[in-house]
Amino acid sequence: DSGVTQTPKHLITATGQRVTLRCSPRSGDLSVYWYQQSLDQGLQFLIHYYNGEERAKGNILERFSAQQFPDLHSELNLSSLELGDSALYFCASSLQGSGANVLTFGAGSRLTVL
Amino acid sequence: AQSVTQLDSQVPVFEEAPVELRCNYSSSVSVYLFWYVQYPNQGLQLLLKYLSGSTLVKGINGFEAEFNKSQTSFHLRKPSVHISDTAEYFCAVSDSATPRSGGSQGNLIFGKGTKLSVKP
Repeated sequence: DSGVTQTPKHLITATGQRVTLRCSPRSGDLSVYWYQQSLDQGLQFLIHYYNGEERAKGNILERFSAQQFPDLHSELNLSSLELGDSALYFCASSLQGSGANVLTFGAGSRLTVL
Repeated sequence: AQSVTQLDSQVPVFEEAPVELRCNYSSSVSVYLFWYVQYPNQGLQLLLKYLSGSTLVKGINGFEAEFNKSQTSFHLRKPSVHISDTAEYFCAVSDSATPRSGGSQGNLIFGKGTKLSVKP
């Protein structure tokens, strides 16, 4: 157990729907990162939050959004889902938001869009 | 911006043989380097990291890697592999520079991964 908790572990939904993925960081970590892993794109950085504020955006689609709450947990919202959004979504946390920053990953949420 | 190239997508080896998984990076600023392992149907686990200091770093499960700045490489090695080492291995790079100055500001940029298959 890495200490980073992601729910749900598996999710099957239909095109056009909206889902929310949840991440609880390790105790004491202030940063949360979201990554998407797919067979064709590999591991792609989506977005980074530090202590409630957005720090950096990567290859995140406009249909996707995220936020980090005061208790530091984070949610990734995926809307108007397409078949191509099927992927494994990882959350990672770290103490810092920059520098020699070591990320600890959760087990992932596997999204299947039918 | 940084990038990471893992030169081999698949590496088959026999049990107890040595293995080297190659990783090259590109960056205009000083970097931090990582190797993560992903076992089937699991998340990413940190194997080892180079942040500063000695260029030879040792990690878990008998793996080690050497940071070579002149060759911009961070190859992963193990002198004798076991069946249980079968997994996908990812090299990653980050730095402390802001995205505006070409950095990743602590975010990890990953390579495409190398699938290590250890055969009996």
